[in-house]
Amino acid sequence: KAGVTQTPRYLIKTRGQQVTLSCSPISGHRSVSWYQQTPGQGLQFLFEYFSETQRNKGNFPGRFSGRQFSNSRSEMNVSTLELGDSALYLCASSSPSPDEKLFFGSGTQLSVL
Amino acid sequence: EDKVVQSPLSLVVHEGDTVTLNCSYEVTNFRSLLWYKQEKKAPTFLFMLTSSGIEKKSGRLSSILDKKELFSILNITATQTGDSAVYLCAVNSGAQKLVFGQGTRLTINP
Repeated sequence: KAGVTQTPRYLIKTRGQQVTLSCSPISGHRSVSWYQQTPGQGLQFLFEYFSETQRNKGNFPGRFSGRQFSNSRSEMNVSTLELGDSALYLCASSSPSPDEKLFFGSGTQLSVL
Repeated sequence: EDKVVQSPLSLVVHEGDTVTLNCSYEVTNFRSLLWYKQEKKAPTFLFMLTSSGIEKKSGRLSSILDKKELFSILNITATQTGDSAVYLCAVNSGAQKLVFGQGTRLTINP
C-alpha cells in the first residue's frame, strides 16, 4: 500500500508570492490533516478535511487555506507569503474510526526569501 | 489551552542502555495519545494508546498510558544507533487534531 505522498518536496518562494502544496492520502483514507513544523514552534495543526469538508482548523491566519477533492486528495494554499512561513509542511491521513492512527507524508520544505 | 509537554528535551546515551521518555498532557477533549519517531522528515507511527494501564509493545519499544495522572512513557531497551531520532508525543483532541509536544531528541552513541 502506498504511503502518504506530498508534492513538491522542496519549494523556494519570495515574500508576497503564493504557493500550493499537494497531498495524496493512503488509499481508503478519507481524512487529511495538515501541520506546520518549525524549529521554534514544533508541529502545529493547520486544518483537517474529511469528505471534502473542513472539520477543524488551527490558529493560523486566513492566508492559510485548503481544500479536499472527491478522491480525498488535498491541497493547501498560502497566499502573500511571509518570511515566517518558511517551514516543513506535513500532511497526514487517517483511516475511519475507531482506528484513527495518523500516517504522515515526507513533507514539503518551503523556504521564503 | 491544550498542552503536551515532553521530557527530557534531549538525551544522550550509550548503545545498549535503556531509556524512558516522558509525556504529560492537559487537553479538554482526549481521544488517544500517539507516539511518533522522526528521523528526517516524515514522522513514523509507533503507538496509539487509548486505555489506561495497557502496555503496547513492539520489539524493544513499549509504551503505557495513565489517564488518571495524564501522562505516558515510551521505553526503549537495548538501544541501538538506529534509535537515534526525535520522538514525538501527540494527543488527538478530536477531528484528527493532534496537539504535539516539543519532542525528545535521543542520541545513541556507539
